[in-house]
Amino acid sequence: DGGITQSPKYLFRKEGQNVTLSCEQNLNHDAMYWYRQDPGQGLRLIYYSQIVNDFQKGDIAEGYSVSREKKESFPLTVTSAQKNPTAFYLCASSQWDNSPLHFGNGTRLTVT
Amino acid sequence: GENVEQHPSTLSVQEGDSAVIKCTYSDSASNYFPWYKQELGKGPQLIIDIRSNVGEKKDQRIAVTLNKTAKHFSLHITETQPEDSAVYFCAASTRNTGNQFYFGTGTSLTVIP
Repeated sequence: DGGITQSPKYLFRKEGQNVTLSCEQNLNHDAMYWYRQDPGQGLRLIYYSQIVNDFQKGDIAEGYSVSREKKESFPLTVTSAQKNPTAFYLCASSQWDNSPLHFGNGTRLTVT
Repeated sequence: GENVEQHPSTLSVQEGDSAVIKCTYSDSASNYFPWYKQELGKGPQLIIDIRSNVGEKKDQRIAVTLNKTAKHFSLHITETQPEDSAVYFCAASTRNTGNQFYFGTGTSLTVIP
């Protein structure tokens, strides 16, 4: 079945450590996205990529980094510079402009 | 940039009643408006969408209406069932922003059996 796979589902880290969240899609979509979800705040865009080897900052990119070396993969690194990293992180992809987003089932990151 | 507002933030209805969720947007260039349903611990799933050249779209018990002049769009769920209980998000996007989607803050719908 085609879809987006995020792993792991739950992730625990100590403060000061970098952590990388995985996102893989087999939908052959060109565009991929990372969103952060906090209670009562909806979904906020961290980074997005419309094509391999290119990506753009979203509204809350500070403290995060991404790479897009392959069409299928768009990993997100949460760095120690992110002041409040504990959140639910959602990866999504879409086929072309103004087409629907397809979401993974998220990774819940807890930093203590 | 685009700003999407969504109301209400919580909604409780009796099973069989209708539910309406409303969103407004600010950017007149927005031309695509999807609605997503998110169940606990899962990612949002597309349930219906509408483009700016259409005023209304229906899919069984779910319908979406769009008023471009007033810059608002609404989700209507009829004959609600307990399995409709979830968080619903509206969103808006435009080609002008590289297919960025701007989301509302969500509506938590509870259908009471």
